[in-house]
Amino acid sequence: DVKVTQSSRYLVKRTGEKVFLECVQDMDHENMFWYRQDPGLGLRLIYFSYDVKMKEKGDIPEGYSVSREKKERFSLILESASTNQTSMYLCASSLEYSAVHFGDGTRLSIL
Amino acid sequence: KNEVEQSPQNLTAQEGEFITINCSYSVGISALHWLQQHPGGGIVSLFMLSSGKKKHGRLIATINIQEKHSSLHITASHPRDSAVYICAVSPNYGGATNKLIFGTGTLLAVQP
Repeated sequence: DVKVTQSSRYLVKRTGEKVFLECVQDMDHENMFWYRQDPGLGLRLIYFSYDVKMKEKGDIPEGYSVSREKKERFSLILESASTNQTSMYLCASSLEYSAVHFGDGTRLSIL
Repeated sequence: KNEVEQSPQNLTAQEGEFITINCSYSVGISALHWLQQHPGGGIVSLFMLSSGKKKHGRLIATINIQEKHSSLHITASHPRDSAVYICAVSPNYGGATNKLIFGTGTLLAVQP
């Protein structure tokens, strides 16, 4: 079974902090994604990556950056956390034209 | 107008009932996905289909490409089926990166 592992289930940070969310997949998938999920807004794509060191902006990239130095790991970085970035963050991975596998999510609170 | 529309938004059923959730989309697709998310939980992929019908246990998913419509059926529903069901499509533009377009989800509550 494919495993997508997110480093934390719950995380509390302070405004202005630099926050790192880590995601690791174990199935050699090319594509990796970071989404945020908010009530009433559904899932929105922040960034995705289709290969090592390759990344593209999604629908809501402002305030975020990403890093993919190794194929299995995709990191989301909040450069200077703000309260409006309090959300559930979901990482996902897939091969082309195949099912998408999600991690369990990180519920991030910015105080 | 959203590119992926689901109905109903909320659904309450009695245990044992047959349940149908509908999904319509307006873009060309290479595949359609049905996803499940339990309260407070991560998202699980139930089906990926590009034609016809797939069945897994009590779950059945169908798709009509010409009508741009898919349905998810749950037979003999059980309280453990209570979850949000999300329809998502892989559009056939923008490369093969599997950038999904999501519906807003259907919140299903199955009462004992």
